[in-house]
Amino acid sequence: SYVLTQPPSVSVAPGQTATLTCVGNNIGSKSVHWYQQKPGQAPVLVVYDDYDRPSGIPDRFSGSNSGKTATLSITRVEGGDEGDYYCQVWDINSDHRDVIFGGGTKLTVL
Amino acid sequence: QLQLQESGPGLVKPSETLSLICNVSGGSISNSYRYWGWIRQRPGEGLEWIGSIFYSGNTYYNPSLKSRVTISIDTSKNQFSLRLTSVIAADTAVYYCARDAYCSAGGCSNNFFDPWGQGTLVTVSS
Repeated sequence: SYVLTQPPSVSVAPGQTATLTCVGNNIGSKSVHWYQQKPGQAPVLVVYDDYDRPSGIPDRFSGSNSGKTATLSITRVEGGDEGDYYCQVWDINSDHRDVIFGGGTKLTVL
Repeated sequence: QLQLQESGPGLVKPSETLSLICNVSGGSISNSYRYWGWIRQRPGEGLEWIGSIFYSGNTYYNPSLKSRVTISIDTSKNQFSLRLTSVIAADTAVYYCARDAYCSAGGCSNNFFDPWGQGTLVTVSS
């Protein structure tokens, strides 16, 4: 089955840019979605279809996807950006649909 | 504004069946051309997709859980349900429901989960 690999943790100083990666075989051919989850809360969609943002998500959040790596970038990082971030794709195998989540990256703001 | 809310027992005994309901408000499941999904998160772990159901009843399940999972939908009550049989301690998790992909004759889009319910913790213990 399809696998998405995310680094377990990323640390960044306030005001800097956080770069979170999601690696998968030929992931550039798939649409990648990103979720933010703060402790004790449900996940929230922050980027969909590689780079689009839902309404209400600041433009500090941006995404890209090419080759084997999808990336979520968070510019001008704030303390409120701390949490776990998950990438997700749909995988179609013949007539079966599978939803795949990456293992998640814990973002720490130093 | 679409809202989802999970409900069901917070404690289930090993070998018994876990049953949860997701109530949808602020929008209709009927003729939505949407999938509606269940996702769980074991304590301290990541997200695991359980399965999704189309408004008309078609289902997709995680292959690792397929033998124990049934997802059903009741459009008259604007809700969909999860049943997980023969539960073990490893099924202890927060269970979330969420709106899933939009699919029509032309194909599927919006293949992401949004919005999510707040989640409900289900503990498997005797």
